Amino acid sequence: DQQVKQNSPSLSVQEGRISILNCDYTNSMFDYFLWYKKYPAEGPTFLISISSIKDKNEDGRFTVFLNKSAKHLSLHIVPSQPGDSAVYFCAASGGTDSWGKLQFGAGTQVVVTP
Amino acid sequence: GAVVSQHPSRVICKSGTSVKIECRSLDFQATTMFWYRQFPKKSLMLMATSNEGSKATYEQGVEKDKFLINHASLTLSTLTVTSAHPEDSSFYICSASPNRETQYFGPGTRLLVL
Repeated sequence: DQQVKQNSPSLSVQEGRISILNCDYTNSMFDYFLWYKKYPAEGPTFLISISSIKDKNEDGRFTVFLNKSAKHLSLHIVPSQPGDSAVYFCAASGGTDSWGKLQFGAGTQVVVTP
Repeated sequence: GAVVSQHPSRVICKSGTSVKIECRSLDFQATTMFWYRQFPKKSLMLMATSNEGSKATYEQGVEKDKFLINHASLTLSTLTVTSAHPEDSSFYICSASPNRETQYFGPGTRLLVL
């Protein structure tokens, strides 16, 4: 079963505006959440992560918010740039014997238009 | 920043032959590395956890005799696809973590079995 879900397969946003990507999870044992950006035929590029003891982490244009009670996290990109057009994956890890094992969402294709 | 390399980036082989893919962590030691597979337009699927000095741990449904993993040192893991068949054609990606909060992926290896 899919423990990490990204329900929006695609998102179109205008350059300079905010991109908000959402991710839901079902496993309450997850304690680390990571966001990746991926281009076709390339490995994922790490963007930002958050541990379950925090509710917000910010790095430059990227901010991740975690709502543990709702089992929901989001990635905000502001301002969006054309180079941000890619597929974004949400990933989670946690629980016993799970160090580093990531469960990925299905991804959201972001298109930033001029 | 941390870098994970993979070699080769692309390989074409005949059905029945074996293919070895190398994964290296270039600026940190990794006692654990991970191997993923991505099908076209799908998310990343964890295949196995590569453990330095011990046997790899395979995810359910992954044939350990088909996908041989050797973690020879703290910076090198290899995945060998044995007796490859066309259905093994895929994009294989490795990753390594210096800590719980980050995990870096290699650029991936595109395997095509004819």
